Amino acid sequence: EAQVTQNPRYLITVTGKKLTVTCSQNMNHEYMSWYRQDPGLGLRQIYYSMNVEVTDKGDVPEGYKVSRKEKRNFPLILESPSPNQTSLYFCASSFRQGPSPYEQYFGPGTRLTVT
Amino acid sequence: RKEVEQDPGPFNVPEGATVAFNCTYSNSASQSFFWYRQDCRKEPKLLMSVYSSGNEDGRFTAQLNRASQYISLLIRDSKLSDSATYLCVVNRVRSQGNLIFGKGTKLSVKP
Repeated sequence: EAQVTQNPRYLITVTGKKLTVTCSQNMNHEYMSWYRQDPGLGLRQIYYSMNVEVTDKGDVPEGYKVSRKEKRNFPLILESPSPNQTSLYFCASSFRQGPSPYEQYFGPGTRLTVT
Repeated sequence: RKEVEQDPGPFNVPEGATVAFNCTYSNSASQSFFWYRQDCRKEPKLLMSVYSSGNEDGRFTAQLNRASQYISLLIRDSKLSDSATYLCVVNRVRSQGNLIFGKGTKLSVKP
């Protein structure tokens, strides 16, 4: 089954404790992306990757890191989480249509709470 | 002008009604346009890509108006299952992989 998986689905952690949210897709997509969704602010892009070893900042990259060592995986790293990173996080992937991503498939989301 | 702007609604309509949403975007050079649907607390799912010539998929029709810089979504014969938030998505021109999501328009279809 074609899918994007994220782990964990729910996470409660404390300020400053490094964490990684994994994202994996089995569709051989070149493009992958991370978003956060907050009430009143909608979905905002954190980082995206056009292909292996190619990543770029989205609109809200501060406090996050990513890597793309393999095509299927795109982990999101919070080196020192803070309460303002409490949010619902989505990973997404797609084929590329020239320089642009095509239709994105989203993972089920990770609900992160930082206390 | 905001990069991508949508009326948040809610749009409360009876079953069988026709409803239309608009979404305006600020950069005239944007090339990629999409409508996504998001149910409460779930992941967004692609509803339609929006092409220059307009496109239709069953009860759903998407249009692009480059001159006025808006895209539209028309839903005919609304069903209860159409109740959701509809997200407009546009690519940022300087970096094509950078996508901007509108905050969404909430639709509630009532019996």
